[in-house]
Amino acid sequence: DARVTQTPRHKVTEMGQEVTMRCQPILGHNTVFWYRQTMMQGLELLAYFRNRAPLDDSGMPKDRFSAEMPDATLATLKIQPSEPRDSAVYFCASGVQGAQAEAFFGQGTRLTVV
Amino acid sequence: GQNIDQPTEMTATEGAIVQINCTYQTSGFNGLFWYQQHAGEAPTFLSYNVLDGLEEKGRFSSFLSRSKGYSYLLLKELQMKDSASYLCAVRDDYKLSFGAGTTVTVRA
Repeated sequence: DARVTQTPRHKVTEMGQEVTMRCQPILGHNTVFWYRQTMMQGLELLAYFRNRAPLDDSGMPKDRFSAEMPDATLATLKIQPSEPRDSAVYFCASGVQGAQAEAFFGQGTRLTVV
Repeated sequence: GQNIDQPTEMTATEGAIVQINCTYQTSGFNGLFWYQQHAGEAPTFLSYNVLDGLEEKGRFSSFLSRSKGYSYLLLKELQMKDSASYLCAVRDDYKLSFGAGTTVTVRA
């Protein structure tokens, strides 16, 4: 049963701490998205990778957020330093580049910064 | 960029039909998606339209008019399990942008 796996599922951290979220895309998928979801803003695209290359990170606060794909099986989203306003659910999604290819979402990481 | 609008909430009775409208403005268009998201869960794919017309998939149908920048999702024979948020998403070359979602509540 192929699925996108995200860890951790929940994270509570203190303001100023570094947070790293991990995502394992579905095997064979060559596109990866990072989204942030809040009640106020809905689903916001933070970063997009194709074939491990970052094509778009315009939605990401550059001073504290960074996204990487060290290899095809791992995508990471890092926040340093974290702030209370970063509290949200962070979703990773993967897909195959193509016309009808939908994005498959992981279960998300619920981040709370206190 | 994209501007995607959909109603915030809708309520309907079990067994009824509900239509969720979505209007969009985009600098490029490469497909429109509908996703379902239950509370506390991840969005899951429901339907895809890239050409004008109606796509039917069981109790769910989705319609697209590219010239009007308009789509709707039709849910028939509503069941209690259909209570969820329904997200309209538009793709340009690669970027998949989501609307705020429509919360559908199904009442017995």
